[in-house]
Amino acid sequence: DVKVTQSSRYLVKRTGEKVFLECVQDMDHENMFWYRQDPGLGLRLIYFSYDVKMKEKGDIPEGYSVSREKKERFSLILESASTNQTSMYLCASSLPTGSNSRNQPQHFGDGTRLSIL
Amino acid sequence: DAKTTQPPSMDCAEGRAANLPCNHSTISGNEYVYWYRQIHSQGPQYIIHGLKNNETNEMASLIITEDRKSSTLILPHATLRDTAVYYCIVRYPLTNFGNEKLTFGTGTRLTIIP
Repeated sequence: DVKVTQSSRYLVKRTGEKVFLECVQDMDHENMFWYRQDPGLGLRLIYFSYDVKMKEKGDIPEGYSVSREKKERFSLILESASTNQTSMYLCASSLPTGSNSRNQPQHFGDGTRLSIL
Repeated sequence: DAKTTQPPSMDCAEGRAANLPCNHSTISGNEYVYWYRQIHSQGPQYIIHGLKNNETNEMASLIITEDRKSSTLILPHATLRDTAVYYCIVRYPLTNFGNEKLTFGTGTRLTIIP
């Protein structure tokens, strides 16, 4: 089974802090994703990465950055946390798209519920 | 990606088959139908996907109508652990990195009754 592990289930931080959310997958997947999920707004893509050291902005990258130094690990960084970044953060991974492996599903971790006070 | 319509909630008796419908009347020829579910306080879980033919795996079966305008996810013997929100998604085959994101609608809240 695919395993995507997020470092914390619950996290409480203060406004202005730099926050690191870690995600590790054990299936050698090339693609990794960070989403946030909020009531009434559904799932929104923050950043994704299709290879080590590669990253692409999603729909809501402002206030966030990412790091992918190793294939199995994808980190989300809140540069200066604000209360509007209180949310459920979800990491996902998948095999790459392309003619030989199209439509690969994304596999999710259990999420980090982050509260910014 | 085409829009999907699902009933907001459904109940099913434990041990019976749960049939969750999804309408996707604007689906185009090469769009796939995906199903995910999300149990409370957990991340979304991939269930199954298909294009035209019916699909089955260890979790569920996916029945897609011949005109592909609707589909049904079948959980053959529902258990209490199947209580979750189920999302039906339609998406193109991913051919460039810009299309990678998943977009969930409001889904169907399935409650399994003991």
